[in-house]
Amino acid sequence: DVKVTQSSRYLVKRTGEKVFLECVQDMDHENMFWYRQDPGLGLRLIYFSYDVKMKEKGDIPEGYSVSREKKERFSLILESASTNQTSMYLCASTPPGYTEAFFGQGTRLTVV
Amino acid sequence: AQSVTQLDSQVPVFEEAPVELRCNYSSSVSVYLFWYVQYPNQGLQLLLKYLSGSTLVESINGFEAEFNKSQTSFHLRKPSVHISDTAEYFCAVRHNNNDMRFGAGTRLTVKP
Repeated sequence: DVKVTQSSRYLVKRTGEKVFLECVQDMDHENMFWYRQDPGLGLRLIYFSYDVKMKEKGDIPEGYSVSREKKERFSLILESASTNQTSMYLCASTPPGYTEAFFGQGTRLTVV
Repeated sequence: AQSVTQLDSQVPVFEEAPVELRCNYSSSVSVYLFWYVQYPNQGLQLLLKYLSGSTLVESINGFEAEFNKSQTSFHLRKPSVHISDTAEYFCAVRHNNNDMRFGAGTRLTVKP
């Protein structure tokens, strides 16, 4: 089975902190994604990556950056956390082609 | 970028009644369509997908969806729902730029 692992289930951070959310997949997938999930808004794409060191902005990249130094790991960085970034963050990966995405369990981030 | 519209944010229905969850997408090129389900306090699971071939696709638990290219729709249906179908359902679309976008979700509540 494909496994997508997010490093934390719950995080509490202070406003202004730099926050790292880590995601690792074990199936050698090329594509990896970061979404945030908010009630009534569904999943909104923050960034995605289709190869090592490659990244593309999604719909809501402001306030975020990403890093993909190795194929299996995709990190989401909040440069200076703000309360409006309190949310559930979901990582996903897909193999080449147009198959479904496989999701991690999510990280619930609270910024206080 | 393509977009996905789920027309109903909440759908309450009685047990054993039929249900339809509506999804429309905006894209004039080939698309690949998915329905995901999220049960309370759980991660996202793939319910069914349309990649090519028959426009009617089915899941193992009785849901089906029909790809309608002329109406750009991929509505999800079940002829008789159970209490255990209570969940949030997300429609998603991919095309040939590697990204994957989701609708805002439909919360299905099945009442006894």
